[in-house]
Amino acid sequence: DIQMTQSPSSLSASVGDRVTISCRASQNIITYLNWFQLKPGKAPKLLIYTASSLQSGGPSRFSGSRSGTDFTLTISNLQPEDSATYFCQQSYSVPYTFGQGTKLEI
Amino acid sequence: QVQLQESGPGLVKPSETLSLTCSVSDDSILGYYWSWIRQPPGKGLEWVGHIFYSGSTNYNPSLKNRVTISLDTSENQFSLRLSSVTAADTAVYYCARQGGANVIDYWGQGFLVTVSS
Repeated sequence: DIQMTQSPSSLSASVGDRVTISCRASQNIITYLNWFQLKPGKAPKLLIYTASSLQSGGPSRFSGSRSGTDFTLTISNLQPEDSATYFCQQSYSVPYTFGQGTKLEI
Repeated sequence: QVQLQESGPGLVKPSETLSLTCSVSDDSILGYYWSWIRQPPGKGLEWVGHIFYSGSTNYNPSLKNRVTISLDTSENQFSLRLSSVTAADTAVYYCARQGGANVIDYWGQGFLVTVSS
């Protein structure tokens, strides 16, 4: 299985800040990397797909990038509603695997 | 917009079979993969498996042949069965759609299943 190592596990920031969350794949997954936002009691939301494409309707303050097997989710101009847990996921090969998650507190 | 809704028993006894159904509205089952993903309390997400509209499936080997995903195109639903459950199978179970480039683009709200006697 492809291992996804995500960091940090938790993060505290203020409204207006810029934060980055990292995810490293244990092997080359090209750009088959997606980022999700989870809030309790709500359907998880796709933010970024194929490493850097913003999901339709998603706020432009979310962006993604790739460098080899390292991937980054950047959230600029943090808003209170960004308080959530964020997961990366590789969709290169089954079984699809997720990072451990990053809990973001605003 | 696609909407997915999980349903089923919220409490299952150890050694029995967990059964969940996902109803898909505003979209057809045809042309996509349909997935199950779970999150045990306090833990991360685990991909359970998926089924293509043609009926072909892939499952997570970690579930050791206990899992079956099936499709009912006439009802626009797909289902999960997980046999011989233990407390470790207690989780929020999500159903989801997988679109192009293997992207899981729409999810249900999730359904908590507790395994307990």
